[in-house]
Amino acid sequence: QSVLTQPPSVSGTPGQRVTISCSGSSSNIGTKTVNWYQQLPGAAPKLLMYLNSQRPSGVPDRFSGSKSGTSASLAISGLQFEDEADYYCATWDVSLKGWLFGGGTKVTVL
Amino acid sequence: QVQLVESGGNLVTPGGSLRLSCAASGFTFSDYYMIWIRQAPGKGLEYIAYISTNSATIYYADSVKGRFTISRDNAKKSLYLQMNGLRAEDTAMYYCARVPEQGIDYWGQGTLVTVSS
Repeated sequence: QSVLTQPPSVSGTPGQRVTISCSGSSSNIGTKTVNWYQQLPGAAPKLLMYLNSQRPSGVPDRFSGSKSGTSASLAISGLQFEDEADYYCATWDVSLKGWLFGGGTKVTVL
Repeated sequence: QVQLVESGGNLVTPGGSLRLSCAASGFTFSDYYMIWIRQAPGKGLEYIAYISTNSATIYYADSVKGRFTISRDNAKKSLYLQMNGLRAEDTAMYYCARVPEQGIDYWGQGTLVTVSS
């Protein structure tokens, strides 16, 4: 069981908005910034969001991130079939002195 | 462009050893912390080991502490993971990744380690 909690799956129809939550604690999300990664089937993870809400170059603005207290979230607006993937949140834990990943959320486009 | 290429994955029997390598290019390797992350088949991502720029600071996940050793050679722009006492539960795709101040950014394509008799 991951220290960062994500829903195992979310789904939506094309064009819809979906959100993925990532719940942590004061020693990780409450203190450090959160990154999000997208992993397409059979591929390595790719950075999707850094510093809670910053998009790397090339990431569509349909993706947005936020953080409040000990939770973070990733939103996908205007859902597209190409967004079907696994999504992971990650951050550093100051107590454990280690990197933490959420358990991952599978996004399905119906 | 930033490139990370892992190698060394293989089929190994329980109790065996393996050394993974990660060759970096496209950036100043010595300026970045680096990390190893693994993903068991059908499972999520798991942090394994983390090393500072000059190797002075190293952290390990409890699951591999005492069995795995992370190291780097800045002159060769390479990251390594020595894995001893391998167990079936170590079977996974192993990724190396770069860690700037903003957190883990670029990942390699991974190298597969299978531990089985």
